[in-house]
Amino acid sequence: GAVVSQHPSRVICKSGTSVKIECRSLDFQATTMFWYRQFPKQSLMLMATSNEGSKATYEQGVEKDKFLINHASLTLSTLTVTSAHPEDSSFYICSARIGQAQETQYFGPGTRLLVL
Amino acid sequence: GQNIDQPTEMTATEGAIVQINCTYQTSGFNGLFWYQQHAGEAPTFLSYNVLDGLEEKGRFSSFLSRSKGYSYLLLKELQMKDSASYLCAVRAAGNKLTFGGGTRVLVKP
Repeated sequence: GAVVSQHPSRVICKSGTSVKIECRSLDFQATTMFWYRQFPKQSLMLMATSNEGSKATYEQGVEKDKFLINHASLTLSTLTVTSAHPEDSSFYICSARIGQAQETQYFGPGTRLLVL
Repeated sequence: GQNIDQPTEMTATEGAIVQINCTYQTSGFNGLFWYQQHAGEAPTFLSYNVLDGLEEKGRFSSFLSRSKGYSYLLLKELQMKDSASYLCAVRAAGNKLTFGGGTRVLVKP
C-alpha cells in the first residue's frame, strides 16, 4: 500500500511553545489529508480535513487558531500546535487519501507530543 | 450525529476464533472499515465493506448488514501477534471516517 510519513515521531516541548508536525505522502499525491488526535486508551478523533490549496475544515470543538493546518502541496500537510499546554499532550496521526476512492486512506505512523 | 459501538475488550486463546461486533448509527453511509492498531502505532487497514455480506481476506473476515447497522470482524487461527486494538470506522456524510472506541483483543497462549 501507499506510504505516509510523519515527522517528528516524538516531541517534548515546554508549555507555551509551538510545535510543527509534518505529514508527507511518499509515493502518491494526496488530494485530501486528515488530522486525528488520540488520547491514551481512546479512539481516534478527527480534528480537521485539509484539501490541497484550500483552508482546512475543522471539526466542532477544535480551535482553528490553536491547531494551524497548512496543505501547501499534494504531498505535504503540516499541523502546528500553537502555545502548547500539557492538555495538548496526545498522539497525533495524519491520514492521506488519493482522490475520492473509498478504500485508499492511509495513515502515518503518528507523532507523540508531550508538553511539560 | 454518529454513534459507533464496539466492546471494549476481548480475550481469546491462541489458535481460536474471535468475533468483534460493531453497531453503528450514522447520517449517510459510504462504507465501513476495520483497522488494526498496535499500541503506540498508527492504524493499519484490514477490511472495507460497503455492500451487505461477508468479505474474506485470509484469516480475517468482515461482515456487514446495512439494514441492521451491524458489522463484525472475524479473526481465525489467532496468533499472539494479533493482540492489538481493532477499530471499527464508518464513512458517512462528508466522506469522513468516524471511529468507534476500539476493541482491545488479548490473545493468550
